[in-house]
Amino acid sequence: EAQVTQNPRYLITVTGKKLTVTCSQNMNHEYMSWYRQDPGLGLRQIYYSMNVEVTDKGDVPEGYKVSRKEKRNFPLILESPSPNQTSLYFCASSFLTSGGAYEQYFGPGTRLTVT
Amino acid sequence: TQLLEQSPQFLSIQEGENLTVYCNSSSVFSSLQWYRQEPGEGPVLLVTVVTGGEVKKLKRLTFQFGDARKDSSLHITAAQPGDTGLYLCAGASGRTSYDKVIFGPGTSLSVIP
Repeated sequence: EAQVTQNPRYLITVTGKKLTVTCSQNMNHEYMSWYRQDPGLGLRQIYYSMNVEVTDKGDVPEGYKVSRKEKRNFPLILESPSPNQTSLYFCASSFLTSGGAYEQYFGPGTRLTVT
Repeated sequence: TQLLEQSPQFLSIQEGENLTVYCNSSSVFSSLQWYRQEPGEGPVLLVTVVTGGEVKKLKRLTFQFGDARKDSSLHITAAQPGDTGLYLCAGASGRTSYDKVIFGPGTSLSVIP
């Protein structure tokens, strides 16, 4: 089954304790992204990756790091989490259609609480 | 900064009614997508439109991309409880290279049986 998986699904942590949220896709897509979703603000792009070892900042990259060492994996790293990073996080993988648009497939989400 | 606005923000209707939700921007997009998101799940792609004036139909859902590629609408005919969810539009500027994707804040639809 074609899918994007994220782990963990739920995480409660304390300020300053480094954490990693994993993301994996089995569709051989070149493009992957991380988003956060907050009430009233919608989905905002954190980082995206166009291929292995190629990443770029989205709209809200501060406080986050990513890496793309393999095509299928795109982990999100919070080196020193703070309470304002409490949010619902989504990973997505994308491919370019013949019509010239990028279609995204989202993971199930990771709900992060930082106390 | 590119922004996408959606209206209405909330919509509660009776089963069988028709509805239209709107997605507007002052920016031109090369493509625009509509997603539906249910509580506790990730957004699911419904449709992609790329040509100004394009109309696409998905069963009871009709999607239209504005002529100037700055706005879009989603019309649902004879809404059913299964249509309940958060409807998101997303615009992309890139055509030949992957670019940032901008999401609207969403329209929360509730269809009452």
